[in-house]
Parts: sequence; structure tokens; C-alpha cells
Amino acid sequence: ILNVEQSPQSLHVQEGDSTNFTCSFPSSNFYALHWYRWETAKSPEALFVMTLNGDEKKKGRISATLNTKEGYSYLYIKGSQPEDSATYLCAFGGSNYKLTFGKGTLLTVNP
Amino acid sequence: EAGVAQSPRYKIIEKRQSVAFWCNPISGHATLYWYQQILGQGPKLLIQFQNNGVVDDSQLPKDRFSAERLKGVDSTLKIQPAKLEDSAVYLCASSLRVGVTEAFFGQGTRLTVV
Repeated sequence: ILNVEQSPQSLHVQEGDSTNFTCSFPSSNFYALHWYRWETAKSPEALFVMTLNGDEKKKGRISATLNTKEGYSYLYIKGSQPEDSATYLCAFGGSNYKLTFGKGTLLTVNP
Repeated sequence: EAGVAQSPRYKIIEKRQSVAFWCNPISGHATLYWYQQILGQGPKLLIQFQNNGVVDDSQLPKDRFSAERLKGVDSTLKIQPAKLEDSAVYLCASSLRVGVTEAFFGQGTRLTVV
């Protein structure tokens, strides 16, 4: 069974704060690392799909980095807003093309 | 572009009853996934289809769960008979092709077994 760990499990920040979460995954048989945002009562929404070691991706105030050799990815949110409140999920895509999800980080941004 | 459609949104059943969920993926997406998300845990892959063939069903409890994908498009997931521990959100997702492309999710079906 693959182990995909996310930390912290939950996080409360104030509006305007910058924050980051971690996703740890196996460093072998790597194919892709996905990040999703899941807001309450909505569908999980893809943020990034990353495949190359050292890759950095950015979408607005959100960015992510990838280290496949040591098996981790960081997701950063700059200047958090209340609408960023959601569960952030990472998923490891192995060479068998299966996506294994972590338990997620629940972010709450207080106005 | 229409997203992944799932129904019903919510379902409450008694244990030992049967239930079925339906999913209509994004047009043209060859890969379809069913995930089970129990409260406090990450989504767990139950079954993955490539067109109408099963790619992976290693975590599907086959004594009570079954799934099919008709003509490589719509899919149904059935539980018969349901147990209390089946209470979860059942998510359907589709992707253009297996592997590197992002998966698009439906809103899920929240199942409560009482």
C-alpha cells in the first residue's frame, strides 16, 4: 500500500497570511503528482499536475514545487483570502497510472 | 464544457439494502474512476476503467460492490447489501487519458447507511 502523507492535517490562518503545506510520497515509480482543491459541497478541482523533478507551477497566488528524488511537494498560498478555505489534496500517480490520495490539509482563512 | 455528472447527490438507506450510483463523465474522456471518501480520510480508488475495460479494481470489495461502464461512457456503481461502514462520499472522476492528465471530479454522492 502506497503511503501519501500530507501535513498539517488542518490549518487556521488570518486573511493576508501566507501559508504552505507538504505532501510526501514514495520516491520510486513516480509518474506524476497532482494537487486538488476541494471546497465544501463542490467537486474537487485540479490545481496542478507536476511530472518533472524541480518543477514549479503557479496559478495566481498559489504555487507548488516538486522534488521527486526525496519524495515531497510543497503547496504555497500567498496572501490567503477567505475564499481559499478548502481541503487541499495531493495525489501520487505511480507508474501503474493509479492515483493515490493523501488525507488532505483543511485550510480555514479567517477574515 | 459540461462537467462530470453524478446522481443522486444524497442517499440514506438502511443496512442490508441495495443502492446504485450513476456517473456521466466528460465527453471524450477514456478513463473513469470511482473513489470512496470516508470522513477524515483521503479518497480511495475503488475501480478504474479505460473505455469499458477495468484497469484496476484491487480495492473494490467485490462481495458487495460492483461497477460497470456501458459502451465506454456512463458508469454505475452498486452496493448490495450495504453495511454501516459504507457510509461515505462516492466520487466519480474522468480524465482524457491515464496518467499525467488531470482528473475532473463530479460533486459526489453522500451515502449514509443507518
